[in-house]
Amino acid sequence: GENVEQHPSTLSVQEGDSAVIKCTYSDSASNYFPWYKQELGKGPQLIIDIRSNVGEKKDQRIAVTLNKTAKHFSLHITETQPEDSAVYFCAASIRYQLIWGAGTKLIIKP
Amino acid sequence: EAGVVQSPRYKIIEKKQPVAFWCNPISGHNTLYWYLQNLGQGPELLIRYENEEAVDDSQLPKDRFSAERLKGVDSTLKIQPAELGDSAVYLCASSRPGSGELFFGEGSRLTVL
Repeated sequence: GENVEQHPSTLSVQEGDSAVIKCTYSDSASNYFPWYKQELGKGPQLIIDIRSNVGEKKDQRIAVTLNKTAKHFSLHITETQPEDSAVYFCAASIRYQLIWGAGTKLIIKP
Repeated sequence: EAGVVQSPRYKIIEKKQPVAFWCNPISGHNTLYWYLQNLGQGPELLIRYENEEAVDDSQLPKDRFSAERLKGVDSTLKIQPAELGDSAVYLCASSRPGSGELFFGEGSRLTVL
């Protein structure tokens, strides 16, 4: 079955710097790759997603890139702010089933 | 628009006791999901409903877990009897027809003593 690996498990960056989180997936049939942000005590919330027919997608300070050949996708956050501190999850979807990564705790240092 | 509502937010029980969680999805969302989330891990799907039909319950431990969505709207997840290893956050999510975006509730945190 599909397996999603996410790295790093913890990422600490200075406020204003960029953060990059990487995920790899195993099943080439996966065709939808969302990223969710989870704040303490809350459920995950979708922040950006990408489909397999697109290589890159941007939304203000957030971007996602997809390399289908290598089977990996990445989340890029530029000009990080304190409110970006949270746990970020990547996921890969195959036949309506989402397989989630283990999460990355992003810490923004003032 | 009201979000996904879950109750209770917190529940502490003794092992072997029963427990039930309730979820009310966003109006118009016909797909409902129950996930389990252990500390420091991603959500794991327990069951997915399309309207009132459970279309994926392959990961639901059916010896002790059960779920229902009788009228295709709200849903209940039950554990009986609870074990120590069931301590986790139980998340409910819903999605619109044809959309891949999941909207999550705040979760129900279960502690089994």
